[in-house]
Amino acid sequence: DAKTTQPNSMESNEEEPVHLPCNHSTISGTDYIHWYRQLPSQGPEYVIHGLTSNVNNRMASLAIAEDRKSSTLILHRATLRDAAVYYCILANFGNEKLTFGTGTRLTIIP
Amino acid sequence: KAGVTQTPRYLIKTRGQQVTLSCSPISGHRSVSWYQQTPGQGLQFLFEYFSETQRNKGNFPGRFSGRQFSNSRSEMNVSTLELGDSALYLCASSLSTAAGSYTFGSGTRLTVV
Repeated sequence: DAKTTQPNSMESNEEEPVHLPCNHSTISGTDYIHWYRQLPSQGPEYVIHGLTSNVNNRMASLAIAEDRKSSTLILHRATLRDAAVYYCILANFGNEKLTFGTGTRLTIIP
Repeated sequence: KAGVTQTPRYLIKTRGQQVTLSCSPISGHRSVSWYQQTPGQGLQFLFEYFSETQRNKGNFPGRFSGRQFSNSRSEMNVSTLELGDSALYLCASSLSTAAGSYTFGSGTRLTVV
């Protein structure tokens, strides 16, 4: 399974944008880049996913490097409710599973 | 729409017993996956079912098994429980492929004593 590398932790000020990086240098052409987040005592929550092009939804934006070896999850205006562990995951079409790493623990400073 | 429902939410079992956990996916979702989350190992994939067939299996002993019914509901079973099986067991459903999003339930917290 292709692996991802994320910083263990990050801090950001409330109401500021947050850029969460992810490296996936061994990504294959059929790997989708997924982002999930997990709040304490809850199951992971889907944030966004993409294949090649940048993606936007109501929660966040996903910027994918041209060579697809890295991506960045962008929270445009962080709130205290965004404090969570964020997981960057590669999911392969035909190999239907999510391989979670250790994720990035995001702390939001009021 | 209703989310992924897992029952029970909490469970305490004794070593050597067996346990069955249940997962009802989002209506229309045909893929159900199971994950184990522990403080030491993080989130680990157990298995995935689609249309009653197991398509993928993680690296867990044979004591861990599952099945999916024709209505897409799924159960997982752990036999001969060990203390190390204490974990949060999470179920996720999706329409069909990795091209889509997965919706997770809140999990079943299993404690083995």
